[in-house]
Amino acid sequence: ETGVTQSPTHLIKTRGQQVTLRCSSQSGHNTVSWYQQALGQGPQFIFQYYREEENGRGNFPPRFSGLQFPNYSSELNVNALELDDSALYLCASSLGRSPLRGTEAFFGQGTRLTVV
Amino acid sequence: QQQVKQSPQSLIVQKGGISIINCAYENTAFDYFPWYQQFPGKGPALLIAIRPDVSEKKEGRFTISFNKSAKQFSLHIMDSQPGDSATYFCAASGLSGGGADGLTFGKGTHLIIQP
Repeated sequence: ETGVTQSPTHLIKTRGQQVTLRCSSQSGHNTVSWYQQALGQGPQFIFQYYREEENGRGNFPPRFSGLQFPNYSSELNVNALELDDSALYLCASSLGRSPLRGTEAFFGQGTRLTVV
Repeated sequence: QQQVKQSPQSLIVQKGGISIINCAYENTAFDYFPWYQQFPGKGPALLIAIRPDVSEKKEGRFTISFNKSAKQFSLHIMDSQPGDSATYFCAASGLSGGGADGLTFGKGTHLIIQP
């Protein structure tokens, strides 16, 4: 049991719509990262939030945006959905500004997004 | 641009055998190399991780071997069991321009342990 929970577990959206995915980080963790995992591929880093501010971003367009709240939970928002956005979206929480430097990152079970 | 190359794509090993998965990286700024295990419908779970100041790290049946000069690292699973059947990902992390560490993952290895 990692303690990182994501909602919803599955979601179907139509191309052009907007979607919001949610993540509750493990107790005590102040850093949240989001990843996109296409079928049969490894996760790809979208961005990271530390103490409510984005402090790192992968190669994703601006229509991917996020928020982190004072309780360190987080949202991932995707606007103008495209068919290629269909994937498993993973949230990982950890402790520290550089969360993956020597500290374990705990992943949630993911949200499976299907865009039709 | 794939910065972490993982092989093989799939692997079948007999129960009790040794499973070996290899990864190579390009970015010399990487300084943290974890391995993750993922079961269907689940998120990745950290198995073991290594830093480049050591050449080998062992935890139970899992061992990482690291070759800094060759920019390669590998996962060895000793006495492989059917419960080890899963997809395994190598990953790497280092300081980016913004200072935040995102993990760069390989494409994964689908491991099947035959009874």
